[in-house]
Amino acid sequence: GQQVMQIPQYQHVQEGEDFTTYCNSSTTLSNIQWYKQRPGGHPVFLIQLVKSGEVKKQKRLTFQFGEAKKNSSLHITATQTTDVGTYFCAGNRDDKIIFGKGTRLHILP
Amino acid sequence: DGGITQSPKYLFRKEGQNVTLSCEQNLNHDAMYWYRQDPGQGLRLIYYSQIVNDFQKGDIAEGYSVSREKKESFPLTVTSAQKNPTAFYLCASSILEPGGSYNEQFFGPGTRLTVL
Repeated sequence: GQQVMQIPQYQHVQEGEDFTTYCNSSTTLSNIQWYKQRPGGHPVFLIQLVKSGEVKKQKRLTFQFGEAKKNSSLHITATQTTDVGTYFCAGNRDDKIIFGKGTRLHILP
Repeated sequence: DGGITQSPKYLFRKEGQNVTLSCEQNLNHDAMYWYRQDPGQGLRLIYYSQIVNDFQKGDIAEGYSVSREKKESFPLTVTSAQKNPTAFYLCASSILEPGGSYNEQFFGPGTRLTVL
């Protein structure tokens, strides 16, 4: 069936180091969304990518959508303690939206 | 102040009892969703609705039921048929684009259900 795989499942980084999470779909997506969930909180929308090869930036966060529209990545430069949480991708195809299992980011001070 | 609300935040029930979780939005969104989240897991879709009086099963609908009598309300009932109901339940809403593609989802704060 249609799947959205996200890796890694967990990531520990020292504060100031970079962080990347990857999302891969078995099928071509219409668009992909990224969400952040703080510990004990609910998912909050970060961004949506629609075009093949699209790259978008939000301050220290860089989002990419692959040329084939099957994969995506989120890169955080120089992590801060406020970046702690779980990052989810959500792939949209036809009338379905499927969430990856998320990457949980821990920041070591 | 627009948003999506869920109540209660914490809910305890005895095994074998049905329980209904509330979800209300004043964002005028057409689409509403219910997700289940287990520890360390992603979001699994239970049910979704694109229009009043219509809804579709998601990936894990067994043991759950919903209704959509009003645009702003999408309550979820966890029935006694749900074998492992203890989980964090999230409701969300979104604008629905023509053609069916989805915009960003706005999530409520969630209800943490514990069945004893």
